[in-house]
Amino acid sequence: AAGVIQSPRHLIKEKRETATLKCYPIPRHDTVYWYQQGPGQDPQFLISFYEKMQSDKGSIPDRFSAQQFSDYHSELNMSSLELGDSALYFCASSNRDRGEKLFFGSGTQLSVL
Amino acid sequence: DQQVKQNSPSLSVQEGRISILNCDYTNSMFDYFLWYKKYPAEGPTFLISISSIKDKNEDGRFTVFLNKSAKHLSLHIVPSQPGDSAVYFCAASFNNAGNMLTFGGGTRLMVKP
Repeated sequence: AAGVIQSPRHLIKEKRETATLKCYPIPRHDTVYWYQQGPGQDPQFLISFYEKMQSDKGSIPDRFSAQQFSDYHSELNMSSLELGDSALYFCASSNRDRGEKLFFGSGTQLSVL
Repeated sequence: DQQVKQNSPSLSVQEGRISILNCDYTNSMFDYFLWYKKYPAEGPTFLISISSIKDKNEDGRFTVFLNKSAKHLSLHIVPSQPGDSAVYFCAASFNNAGNMLTFGGGTRLMVKP
């Protein structure tokens, strides 16, 4: 069965650079979520999109932005990267209209040097 | 302030015995609780959930108990198997669909053969 696809799996950037993370949800899922898990921390909700519109916003820094495209894939854009942005970024998708649970991708490990 | 807490960072259990993972929450508005399992280099995988209108939900070897008055839930795995070794995350949500999850810090379960 198709799962949530995230790319890249690993990304190394330097301070003040920008990064773009991509997420391809499970087909027919209408909602995408982004989570950030720092070293030794629990996953923190960043932002979500329902039917290509932002639906909920969590602890996402102003330096970050995200969008969901017409094909339902989502991109998380991160600018002016800081060392503290080093984390595992998970994307999850669900069919909110059916009340389905979240299915997570394998994550993108971002390292800011 | 952590709204969902898993106070045991790790747990070691012998194969065939019971594993009990605990989770506490502070926000009484949470009405839906989930357990996710995470293997290294993979995203969290949904395991079992419980609505606040119930106090127990069972699925095979996995049972989740909810004590609303104590704001406490636990996951029981009986019998434990080596393949159950993973990090288990407790998560809570304000709506029945389990969206916009607030995660605990995780408990690493090690099942010894």
